[in-house]
Amino acid sequence: NAGVMQNPRHLVRRRGQEARLRCSPMKGHSHVYWYRQLPEEGLKFMVYLQKENIIDESGMPKERFSAEFPKEGPSILRIQQVVRGDSAAYFCASSPPGLASQYFGPGTRLTVT
Amino acid sequence: GEDVEQSLFLSVREGDSSVINCTYTDSSSTYLYWYKQEPGAGLQLLTYIFSNMDMKQDQRLTVLLNKKDKHLSLRIADTQTGDSAIYFCAGGEQVFGAGTILRVKS
Repeated sequence: NAGVMQNPRHLVRRRGQEARLRCSPMKGHSHVYWYRQLPEEGLKFMVYLQKENIIDESGMPKERFSAEFPKEGPSILRIQQVVRGDSAAYFCASSPPGLASQYFGPGTRLTVT
Repeated sequence: GEDVEQSLFLSVREGDSSVINCTYTDSSSTYLYWYKQEPGAGLQLLTYIFSNMDMKQDQRLTVLLNKKDKHLSLRIADTQTGDSAIYFCAGGEQVFGAGTILRVKS
């Protein structure tokens, strides 16, 4: 029973490039959450998705960031035109419908040079 | 908005008990959580407590919830070097503390 998978684990991008982070939830989980962890800080909520729907994106920056969770395939967090301040660890978590607990992936560490 | 605060650092000797404290402002969360993050890894859910409970015990872990004071604590009995990590408390699904670094000295 595989846990939440994220890839890549490490991603290096130059300023202005695009970053795509993938998250495959645990089997049977239809809810996905994305968090960002900046150096020396705790997790900050970004977005909550269910299959084909964005439920809550109140933590997403208004520009350059987007997320999707298609009917088939992983959830994608996309950051366009990355800047140095986007360097962080990005964690996704999944949960089944009706339960409260979230299960986290190992994170993707994005470095913008 | 909601705020969750934790002490930043705790150092204990191996075999002692560790108590990590957390205060929160939003009392509407149905569940409150404790997560553990080891170096280079994602968060691992340690335990959670339903908001109408005062205490929950799970092997070496004891969670205490004081709703009146909006205070949550995690006690780790017989702390081991493998418990060294960052511990996050979280309210609801979206608000996390900044994490408490637990260092266990052998």
